[in-house]
Amino acid sequence: DVVMTQTPPSLSVAIGQSVSISCKSSQSLVYSDGKTYLHWLLQSPGQSPKLLIYQVSNLGSGVPDRFSGTGSQKDFTLKISRVEAEDLGVYYCVQATHFPLTFGSGTKLEIK
Amino acid sequence: QVQLTESGPGLVHPSETLSLTCTVSGFSLTGYSVYWVRQPSGKGLEWMGRMRYNGDTSYNSALKSRLSISRDTSKNQVFLKMNSLQTDDTGTYYCTRDRGDAWGQGASVTVSS
Repeated sequence: DVVMTQTPPSLSVAIGQSVSISCKSSQSLVYSDGKTYLHWLLQSPGQSPKLLIYQVSNLGSGVPDRFSGTGSQKDFTLKISRVEAEDLGVYYCVQATHFPLTFGSGTKLEIK
Repeated sequence: QVQLTESGPGLVHPSETLSLTCTVSGFSLTGYSVYWVRQPSGKGLEWMGRMRYNGDTSYNSALKSRLSISRDTSKNQVFLKMNSLQTDDTGTYYCTRDRGDAWGQGASVTVSS
């Protein structure tokens, strides 16, 4: 199975700051169709996960453009610019290139 | 509006079988695949398996011997059955559309005698 290594495990940031979360995979996530199926999810407290970014850099529906995703092959980053209070929760990367799908261990974002 | 809703018993006894239903609306099961994902209490996410749009299934090899996923397209439902439950199967079970753009609210399952 593809191992997704996500860092840091937790972050504490002030409103208005920017943060980055790293996700590294044990194998390339480029699929045979040329696309990279690396997505980012946010699980707010007590909620189901919500899709933030799909295929590395595409914003999910209704997701503010303060969120951005970059990366390629095995190395990916989620950046949140100008953190807001509603951004707290646990962020997960997930790869859907190889079966089974595998998730990062999560990054818990707290607001100072 | 795309919606998924999980339903099933909240309590299962050790060694018994878990049966969950995912009822979908706003999209067709013959056009999208549905995944099952679980989350042990206080832990991360684990992909369990999928019902493909064409009726094929795939399972996480770690669970394959205990897991079965089926569907009833006329009722817009996908079913999960997992046998030989143990206490470490306690957690929340989600169904999600394959694009990850819609998730159910989750079904909380406790395995306890």
